[in-house]
Amino acid sequence: EVQLVESGGGLVQPGGSLRLSCEASGFTFSSYAMDWVRQAPGKGLEWVSAISGSGDNTFHADSVKGRFTISRDNSRNTLYLQMNSLTAEDTAIYYCAKDDNVDAPRAYFDYWGQGTLVTVSS
Amino acid sequence: EIVLTQSPGTLSLSPGERATLSCRASQSISSNYLAWYQQKPGQAPRLLIYVASSRATGVPDRFSGSGSGTDFTLTINRLEPEDFGVYYCQQYGSLMLTFGGGTKVEIK
Repeated sequence: EVQLVESGGGLVQPGGSLRLSCEASGFTFSSYAMDWVRQAPGKGLEWVSAISGSGDNTFHADSVKGRFTISRDNSRNTLYLQMNSLTAEDTAIYYCAKDDNVDAPRAYFDYWGQGTLVTVSS
Repeated sequence: EIVLTQSPGTLSLSPGERATLSCRASQSISSNYLAWYQQKPGQAPRLLIYVASSRATGVPDRFSGSGSGTDFTLTINRLEPEDFGVYYCQQYGSLMLTFGGGTKVEIK
């Protein structure tokens, strides 16, 4: 059974940093690209970042480019999102999602974690 | 960036009725790489349809997807109580993935 478990969310001040983690199980982690998708309170879904199965290729939405970095550790079956220079507009539930193939970012998401809430506020 | 516009914003229907949800793209989606997701309150999205018309594993056959190019439709035949929620379309034909704003299917 595929499982994705996010952690690392919480309250952070504007301008601060946070690192999210997503621990994966139930599939061969390195064989699939992975993504982060976020959802602001009461709003729709927004794609944030993608990384290929090998970790060699990464992609970020324009809204987070230069501030967020996606990475992965295939030996630990773990996906990360390093978030810097956070603003109130980054407040959201952050979901990690498994792609349907090894390449990024052109993929749909066949499994999702339950999400971790990031709140940016003073 | 491909903008996806979903309509209607809200659909009020009774169990047993048919729901027809629309997703229109600002430009043609390569290879009809369009997916549909269902999200219920407090839950993560769930994949329903990919490449416009293929049902994901375990999805009941009352859900069907159709369309190509810029116009896509999700149809839910014979609505069940568990089908109420918000539905999102997503395109993955370009490097920048985008989602539609969602259609809420509520009980009439």
